[in-house]
Amino acid sequence: AQKVTQTQTSISVMEKTTVTMDCVYETQDSSYFLFWYKQTASGEIVFLIRQDSYKKENATVGHYSLNFQKPKSSIGLIITATQIEDSAVYFCAMREGTGGYKVVFGSGTRLLVSP
Amino acid sequence: AQTIHQWPVAEIKAVGSPLSLGCTIKGKSSPNLYWYWQATGGTLQQLFYSITVGQVESVVQLNLSASRPKDDQFILSTEKLLLSHSGFYLCAWRTGGGSNERLFFGHGTKLSVL
Repeated sequence: AQKVTQTQTSISVMEKTTVTMDCVYETQDSSYFLFWYKQTASGEIVFLIRQDSYKKENATVGHYSLNFQKPKSSIGLIITATQIEDSAVYFCAMREGTGGYKVVFGSGTRLLVSP
Repeated sequence: AQTIHQWPVAEIKAVGSPLSLGCTIKGKSSPNLYWYWQATGGTLQQLFYSITVGQVESVVQLNLSASRPKDDQFILSTEKLLLSHSGFYLCAWRTGGGSNERLFFGHGTKLSVL
């Protein structure tokens, strides 16, 4: 069964620094899709970035990038030049590729960015 | 542009009372729809998904049921609420496969069961 684990409960950083959030996953599928979502204080959840298992190049969108280490089943989220408004809870998620409709989420990492 | 609307925004209900939460997607035909539940400070637990009208798959049993009466509508309900049903309920639709695949979430319904 697929599983996603985020061990960091919370992280505090200073504004304009770089932060990395960890995520490891378990799956028996050779094809899968990995996602990161952000939940703001209002409860709104938005998609940030994704990585397909067959792609070797790490995805990058704006100041978000991924550190995909397939042999370690790891997909870290890197946020560069953090801003106050990056303070939120970040969720890692996975969908297995073989016709799967289940999208499994990790427990989330709370990020606090201070001025 | 596609929009997703959930109702109500919040509910306070008594244990043992019935519940019906709704979700409507506009601007997208035959969307893949999801219901998630989130305890306060917790992860998102997938409850149901539906790929077409009248077809709903259960992912986890929480004494809840779901229905897809129309292409653009997804309903979550129960006849008897439990204290453990309290939390945040989120409806989402999944874009098609390929590089654009992702979940788009509604703003959620906060449920308090007393």
